Amino acid sequence: SYVLTQPPSVSVAPGQTATITCGGNNIGSKSAHWYHQKPGQAPVLVVYDDNKRPSGIPERFSGSNSGNTATLTISRVEAGDEAEYYCQVWDRSDRHMIFGGGTTLTVL
Amino acid sequence: QVQLVQSGAEVKKPGSSVKVSCQASGGIFSGYVLNWVRQAPGQGLEWMGGIIPMFGTANYAQKFQGRVTITADESTSTVYMDLTSLKSDDTAVYYCARGGVDYADEYDSWGQGTLVTVSS
Repeated sequence: SYVLTQPPSVSVAPGQTATITCGGNNIGSKSAHWYHQKPGQAPVLVVYDDNKRPSGIPERFSGSNSGNTATLTISRVEAGDEAEYYCQVWDRSDRHMIFGGGTTLTVL
Repeated sequence: QVQLVQSGAEVKKPGSSVKVSCQASGGIFSGYVLNWVRQAPGQGLEWMGGIIPMFGTANYAQKFQGRVTITADESTSTVYMDLTSLKSDDTAVYYCARGGVDYADEYDSWGQGTLVTVSS
């Protein structure tokens, strides 16, 4: 079955750039979506179809996807960006939606 | 944007079943995939399955095949998730989430979550 691998944690100082990766076999051939989730809340979509932003999501959030890695980039990180971040893809061969294990973003 | 409102928390005994509902309002329901995702305490997100209410046929994660049934009632814009033979490790928050017209699409709306506790 298809597996998505994320780093357990990423730490960044305010104002710097955070990069969260999502590794999967030939993930670049799939559409990757990203969510953030704060404690006690439901997940919120921040990037879809690799690099598109839903309305209401700041331009600071961007994404890319190529080869075996999808990447979520958060520029000018703010304290409010602290959350768990999950990547997601659809595995067409098994007809399953797959989530990465999640990455905890800590703003120092 | 569609709003999804789920039923309240449940406490169940091992071996029993639970049925969680998710009612949609304010947006398109029938032609979109409605999914169920669960999250065990301190763990990540796990897709259980989904349904397109217009067609009525559900698609399930292999892990839950035979134990989960997802149904939809178009007349009330409600989807249901029925999980049987509950075990302690089914204790989790269960979310419904609206996808797009394709199962590969992103989830743009989520319910508030329903905590299901399985305990003897």
